[in-house]
Amino acid sequence: KAGVTQTPRYLIKTRGQQVTLSCSPISGHRSVSWYQQTPGQGLQFLFEYFSETQRNKGNFPGRFSGRQFSNSRSEMNVSTLELGDSALYLCASTEQGLSTDTQYFGPGTRLTVL
Amino acid sequence: AQSVTQLGSHVSVSEGALVLLRCNYSSSVPPYLFWYVQYPNQGLQLLLKYTTGATLVKGINGFEAEFKKSETSFHLTKPSAHMSDAAEYFCAVSASSTGFQKLVFGTGTRLLVSP
Repeated sequence: KAGVTQTPRYLIKTRGQQVTLSCSPISGHRSVSWYQQTPGQGLQFLFEYFSETQRNKGNFPGRFSGRQFSNSRSEMNVSTLELGDSALYLCASTEQGLSTDTQYFGPGTRLTVL
Repeated sequence: AQSVTQLGSHVSVSEGALVLLRCNYSSSVPPYLFWYVQYPNQGLQLLLKYTTGATLVKGINGFEAEFKKSETSFHLTKPSAHMSDAAEYFCAVSASSTGFQKLVFGTGTRLLVSP
């Protein structure tokens, strides 16, 4: 099976703009989670979607949002970008999203905000 | 709330030496624990996980970890380091009270392997 894919791999934006990142999970996986990775804060959970519904959310401002489509593909959106949003955004998928499941990670999208 | 502490942001070993990466967790419920590895410019790859059952867990690439409830630890070991083991390692606990996936990661340990 193909792994988790994320597009684009690299992105450069300026402050105040908005951005949309895309994630395609492994075929058959219905749960998609998003994480932000920065040198200062490390890996932080953003949100998790299952069957087009957000089931879990981390402690991020409302500028960060996501959605999931019927084919399990997911997008996350960040509006009004700030310099501190520069990070590697990782997407992970599992079959059911249970706590015991193994999460399979994509290569990430590296976002730079200037 | 669940949390993870990884002692040592950097660990240096010689090729062939024992690798020991430390992880301590805090959890109000029985924890599910994971070790992931990240190579440069890549996502995370699961090395091993503990859910229930045997407390000594074997993973890929010769790594293993032992869940010690009394010490709230889940240290990662490998008997003999290889140059290809150089990477960043993350310990994580599954932290959702709903039963659904939400990983809380430690700050990571960068493993350096010298010839």
